[in-house]
This record gives sequence, C-alpha cells and structure tokens, in this order.
Amino acid sequence: DIQMTQSPSTLSTSVGDTVTITCRASQSISSWLAWYQQKPGKAPKLLIYKASSLESGVPSRFSGSGSGTEFTLTISSLQPDDFATYHCQQYNSHPYNFGQGTKLEIK
Amino acid sequence: QEQLVQSGAEVKKPGASVKVSCKASGYTFTSYYMHWVRQAPGQGLEWMGIINPTGGSTTYADKFQGRVTMTRDTSTSTVYMELSSLRSDDTAIYYCARWEVGTDDALDYWGQGTLVTVSS
Repeated sequence: DIQMTQSPSTLSTSVGDTVTITCRASQSISSWLAWYQQKPGKAPKLLIYKASSLESGVPSRFSGSGSGTEFTLTISSLQPDDFATYHCQQYNSHPYNFGQGTKLEIK
Repeated sequence: QEQLVQSGAEVKKPGASVKVSCKASGYTFTSYYMHWVRQAPGQGLEWMGIINPTGGSTTYADKFQGRVTMTRDTSTSTVYMELSSLRSDDTAIYYCARWEVGTDDALDYWGQGTLVTVSS
C-alpha cells in the first residue's frame, strides 16, 4: 500500500498570509494526487486533481504542484473561509489512501 | 442538479451489520464509479472501496476485505455499502463519493455522510 504523509498537522496562520501544505507519498504516484477541503460537520470538497488541475468553481488562490512522491498545496492570500482541514489523496493504485489531514487555524 | 443523498444515522450493537445507501440523481449513474470513505470521530479520511455501477465490480481495501460488501441497483441509481461484524472502532461517518469514469478527475461530489454508531 502507498502511505501518504502530510505536514504540518496543524498550521496557525492569519488572513492574507500565503500557506503551503506538503504531502509525501511512500512511492511514486506520478501526478495522481488530489486535494480536498473539509469544514466541520461537512463532507470534503474537491479543490485540486491530478496534482495541479483546479476543480471548476474553486478560487484561483488555490494551487497545487508536484509529481512523483512530493506534492504541495498553496493557498495565497488566505480568506476567512479558508480556515478548514485539508486532505491529500493518492489515486494511482488501490487502496486510494488519504493523508492524515492538515488543520488551518487562525493565529 | 447532481445529488448524492445518503440514508440516515444508524445505531448498532457490536457484532451486528449495517447497510448504508447512497442515491444518485441529476447525472448519468453509470458514468461514475462510486467510492466509500469513512471518518472516525476527530480522525482523518479512510478509503474503503469502490464499485463500478455498470457491471457491479468492486475493489475493497484489504482492511475491510471479508466484512464489506458494496452493491448497486441501477433501476434506482442507488449504491449500498454493508459492513458486518461491527466493532466499536467502526463508529464513524460513512461517505459515498463519485469519480467520473475515464477522466483524470478525483472525487468531485460527495454525499452528506451517514453516522454509524456502534455501542452496546
């Protein structure tokens, strides 16, 4: 199985900041990586697919990069609505494991 | 509009089984695989498996092999996930989520989640 490791687990930050979240795969997954945003009590929402493709309707301040084993999600100019938990998921091979999540907190 | 509507919350005793449904509407049911993902309280997301609505073929995570069964009913555009031999650590929110066949896209639409509580 491919293990996914996100860092950091928690990030304290402020409105207007730019933040980067990292996701590492235990073996190469090419570009088969997605990023999701989840708010308390809600289902996850797809932000980025195939490592860097922005899902329709998602603000352009979200961007993804990487390939192989290392990937990043960058959120520019953080908005109040962006404080949530972010999950990465590999879909290169079954099981399609998720990272453990990164919680963005208001500093 | 596209919708995935899941069945309501369940409370089960250890050793019992639970069957959660996920009814799709607003899109072509057979054009999207359906995944099941669960989330224990305060924890991350855990992928359980996938079903192809066209032929009904399934792939399950090893962790759930032998305990989970995913089925579909094309006449009602509904997918089901049954988990047996329930334990307390199966207490979680269970989500269905779709993935378009033959595209690079990921899980683009999710159900609202079904809370399953396992308690004696």
